[in-house]
Amino acid sequence: DSGVTQTPKHLITATGQRVTLRCSPRSGDLSVYWYQQSLDQGLQFLIQYYNGEERAKGNILERFSAQQFPDLHSELNLSSLELGDSALYFCASSVFHTEGGYTFGSGTRLTVV
Amino acid sequence: KNEVEQSPQNLTAQEGEFITINCSYSVGISALHWLQQHPGGGIVSLFMLSSGKKKHGRLIATINIQEKHSSLHITASHPRDSAVYICAVRSASGNQFYFGTGTSLTVIP
Repeated sequence: DSGVTQTPKHLITATGQRVTLRCSPRSGDLSVYWYQQSLDQGLQFLIQYYNGEERAKGNILERFSAQQFPDLHSELNLSSLELGDSALYFCASSVFHTEGGYTFGSGTRLTVV
Repeated sequence: KNEVEQSPQNLTAQEGEFITINCSYSVGISALHWLQQHPGGGIVSLFMLSSGKKKHGRLIATINIQEKHSSLHITASHPRDSAVYICAVRSASGNQFYFGTGTSLTVIP
């Protein structure tokens, strides 16, 4: 157990639907990062939050949004889902907003049918 | 062209061999990361480098900022080292991450 908890582990949903992925960072970590890993595009950085504030934004689609709550857990919301959104979604956490190693969660496997 | 290039893409080694995986990048960076992804999908962060060299057990990572190049070495390789190794860089602005496509390593007993 890495200390980063992601739920659910698996999710199957239909096109056009909306889902929420949840991440609880390791105790003491203030930064949360979201990544998408698909077969055709590899790993991609989506977004980073530090202590509740957005710090960096990567290749996150407008249909996707995220937030970090006062208890530091984070949620990634994916809406108007398309087949191409099927991927592994990883959350990672770190202590500082730019430095430090990262601890990854085990990921949420999203399948859009 | 990808901002991060890794070589080789695939690598098969005999147990005990010394292994080197290379990573070249084309952007200014604040840090470089080496990640390990096992067949089950989980990702472990092995190293974060901004200069020099780091060692952890049988793993050694080096970075040459001037040449924009990093290497990951595995000494005395073992079948449990079989995994995909991914090089990732954080941009100098800190606003973006770029990932290599990974090196798939298989260590044969």
